[in-house]
Amino acid sequence: GAVVSQHPSRVICKSGTSVKIECRSLDFQATTMFWYRQFPKQSLMLMATSNEGSKATYEQGVEKDKFLINHASLTLSTLTVTSAHPEDSSFYICSARRGRSGYGYTFGSGTRLTVV
Amino acid sequence: AQTVTQSQPEMSVQEAETVTLSCTYDTSESDYYLFWYKQPPSRQMILVIRQEAYKQQNATENRFSVNFQKAAKSFSLKISDSQLGDAAMYFCAYRSARELGNEKLTFGTGTRLTIIP
Repeated sequence: GAVVSQHPSRVICKSGTSVKIECRSLDFQATTMFWYRQFPKQSLMLMATSNEGSKATYEQGVEKDKFLINHASLTLSTLTVTSAHPEDSSFYICSARRGRSGYGYTFGSGTRLTVV
Repeated sequence: AQTVTQSQPEMSVQEAETVTLSCTYDTSESDYYLFWYKQPPSRQMILVIRQEAYKQQNATENRFSVNFQKAAKSFSLKISDSQLGDAAMYFCAYRSARELGNEKLTFGTGTRLTIIP
């Protein structure tokens, strides 16, 4: 089946530094990648949508300069949290869409980011 | 904009019993997809079941089935013969059937299901 590999699974960084999270589709081409943020005991909040080779589309209220998304290839998308602060601590999940059908949203296993 | 509502923040069921999780949604579209996702303690999102709005027949996947009521905009999930491994957060999700290439999932707030041994 389709697999999305997300790394790292956990990361602790110092306030002011940047952190990069990678999502790779291992056995399919991800035409679209979605990035979510999830607070404890809450639902997934969509941050941005990216299509391969084009700029990401950010949801209202999400700072595009803080959360940099790159989707340079059909198998790799990255989310970089720049100048991280403690309030950026959260669980980040990527989801890749296969093709253009109504099916095929595959999720990564998530990254727990802690900013100290 | 579409919205998805899960009115049960928490549910519990005795092992081997049946439980139904509720989901309602609001949309002006006639063609769309509905999903139930499971998020166990590992936090990995797992697709449980999927329903196409144009299909009148309710989807089933082994012990999981849905009651899709299009007119009422209701999409409940029934879990039969509940097992300890079913304990998780369950999210209902909506997606437009438009094929523009970037259709996103809209999630409900989730229902935490506890299985009582």
